[in-house]
Amino acid sequence: EDQVTQSPEALRLQEGESSSLNCSYTVSGLRGLFWYRQDPGKGPEFLFTLYSAGEEKEKERLKATLTKKESFLHITAPKPEDSATYLCAVLMNTGFQKLVFGTGTRLLVSP
Amino acid sequence: EAQVTQNPRYLITVTGKKLTVTCSQNMNHEYMSWYRQDPGLGLRQIYYSMNVEVTDKGDVPEGYKVSRKEKRNFPLILESPSPNQTSLYFCASRLGVNYGYTFGSGTRLTVV
Repeated sequence: EDQVTQSPEALRLQEGESSSLNCSYTVSGLRGLFWYRQDPGKGPEFLFTLYSAGEEKEKERLKATLTKKESFLHITAPKPEDSATYLCAVLMNTGFQKLVFGTGTRLLVSP
Repeated sequence: EAQVTQNPRYLITVTGKKLTVTCSQNMNHEYMSWYRQDPGLGLRQIYYSMNVEVTDKGDVPEGYKVSRKEKRNFPLILESPSPNQTSLYFCASRLGVNYGYTFGSGTRLTVV
């Protein structure tokens, strides 16, 4: 069964305390992996797309990496405004290229 | 501004009363989808569309209908809403199969 699992479910950091979020997947053919940020009561906001193992993308304090079984979202020296839920989604290589979301990691960064 | 617009943002209705949630995008995207988001279950796809007049079921299509008569619009129809359809709904569009979705702001639906 195609599955996307994110860990931890919730993470609390002090401002400046770097950490990583994990997205592991078991799918029948990966076409791409997406990271989104979601603020309470809002729609997910697109961050990155990764297509192949070894690929890395960066945006401000965020860096996403991809291996054959998982992806990491590294947060360097986070600030309170980085508090949000981070979602990963896997684009599968099926007939209509199905996109499957994980349940997310809730990140809280305290000043 | 490039965006996906959903209406209404909030809706409280009674069981069995037909309703439509509208969705419109101004980016000329071919792909559009509807998702529902529930605590602990994440985002689950209801229906998707690859182009005008081309729609198909996602993972949780029961109790919903969609139509795609124009490229920009993709309404979600609940013919006879039930309380288990109480949820947060998102419409999304993307340029092509390898691109990320742009999401609307969401519609919080409560069925009593």
